[in-house]
Amino acid sequence: ILNVEQSPQSLHVQEGDSTNFTCSFPSSNFYALHWYRWETAKSPEALFVMTLNGDEKKKGRISATLNTKEGYSYLYIKGSQPEDSATYLCASHGYNFNKFYFGSGTKLNVKP
Amino acid sequence: EAGVTQFPSHSVIEKGQTVTLRCDPISGHDNLYWYRRVMGKEIKFLLHFVKESKQDESGMPNNRFLAERTGGTYSTLKVQPAELEDSGVYFCASSSRTPPESAFFGQGTRLTVV
Repeated sequence: ILNVEQSPQSLHVQEGDSTNFTCSFPSSNFYALHWYRWETAKSPEALFVMTLNGDEKKKGRISATLNTKEGYSYLYIKGSQPEDSATYLCASHGYNFNKFYFGSGTKLNVKP
Repeated sequence: EAGVTQFPSHSVIEKGQTVTLRCDPISGHDNLYWYRRVMGKEIKFLLHFVKESKQDESGMPNNRFLAERTGGTYSTLKVQPAELEDSGVYFCASSSRTPPESAFFGQGTRLTVV
């Protein structure tokens, strides 16, 4: 079993602030790390999938980095907007690709 | 292209009753997963189908849960009899055979057992 942990559990920021949160995962048998954005009553939306140590991905104001040796990934949001308010989930899976192991998520609230 | 769809979106049932959740994956996706999120906790794996075969059902909590995927298309997850601790959001996801594509999730079924 892979224990994936996310911190902080929740975050409240003002519109325009930049923010980041952490996903940590066991580095052994690692294959890929996924980030999802999940708004209540909607489907979790895939943001990034990363596999290589040092990977950096960017999508608009959101970016992510990956360190597979130490087992962590950071998600950054630059200039947060109210529409960024959501729960951000990370999930890891190993070589067997059978299942994703999710963290409990970071709930972001951006105040106008 | 249609995404992963789940039905119903919300179900409220009494303890002891039976509920069946349905998931229609993206067409052509061989992999189908069921996950569950209990209030405030992480999303947990329940089981994985490859086409119609159960690849891994290690996450199924007990024998009150039965999942099927006849013909390798849509899947159902039946809970019989439902207990209070079964309340949560049940997600279905699908992916193609090639990793490391992200799995595509449905909107979830919120199950409330009272």
